[in-house]
Amino acid sequence: AQKVTQAQTEISVVEKEDVTLDCVYETRDTTYYLFWYKQPPSGELVFLIRRNSFDEQNEISGRYSWNFQKSTSSFNFTITASQVVDSAVYFCALRPGSARQLTFGSGTQLTVLP
Amino acid sequence: ETGVTQTPRHLVMGMTNKKSLKCEQHLGHNAMYWYKQSAKKPLELMFVYNFKEQTENNSVPSRFSPECPNSSHLFLHLHTLQPEDSALYLCASSQDEGGTYNEQFFGPGTRLTVL
Repeated sequence: AQKVTQAQTEISVVEKEDVTLDCVYETRDTTYYLFWYKQPPSGELVFLIRRNSFDEQNEISGRYSWNFQKSTSSFNFTITASQVVDSAVYFCALRPGSARQLTFGSGTQLTVLP
Repeated sequence: ETGVTQTPRHLVMGMTNKKSLKCEQHLGHNAMYWYKQSAKKPLELMFVYNFKEQTENNSVPSRFSPECPNSSHLFLHLHTLQPEDSALYLCASSQDEGGTYNEQFFGPGTRLTVL
């Protein structure tokens, strides 16, 4: 069985602060994929990143960075110098390598205050 | 139109009504999905279609009936719904090749309210 836990239900920060969103997962599969999606108030889930279980290299894309640690089954997401437009619900998701089904966490509501 | 579109964006219906949700993907993908997003619950996968064939049905009640006439269009037919079916219904698509399942791209969703 797959499980994704996002323990932070809501986070508020002031603009320009850095913020880290936590994601912990459980799976028995040796091959799997991890994802982060952003859901702004408009409702559409926006794909941010995909990592596979064999690639533990951290990734940076502009103000976004991701820290994948297999030893702790975590895939954390950091936003540097947050902006008001970053306000959204962020979902972490897991998919086994052999199936289409995505298992989503319950999401973290991020509010960036001006 | 680009990406994944869904209509209508908002729908209010009574428990005895019949309505349909429409999804169209303009990405050339071969797999399409319906998800349900209820308040304070994780997204739940409802149905998966690959090349127009339904490959997954996650124990969804029969009052939800999907239809996939081609790989670009996906419908969700609704009848005799319950108030607890009120939710955001999201459609997604992906390009799956030779057992490799790629990331899913989502539409904006239909906000459904059942009275």
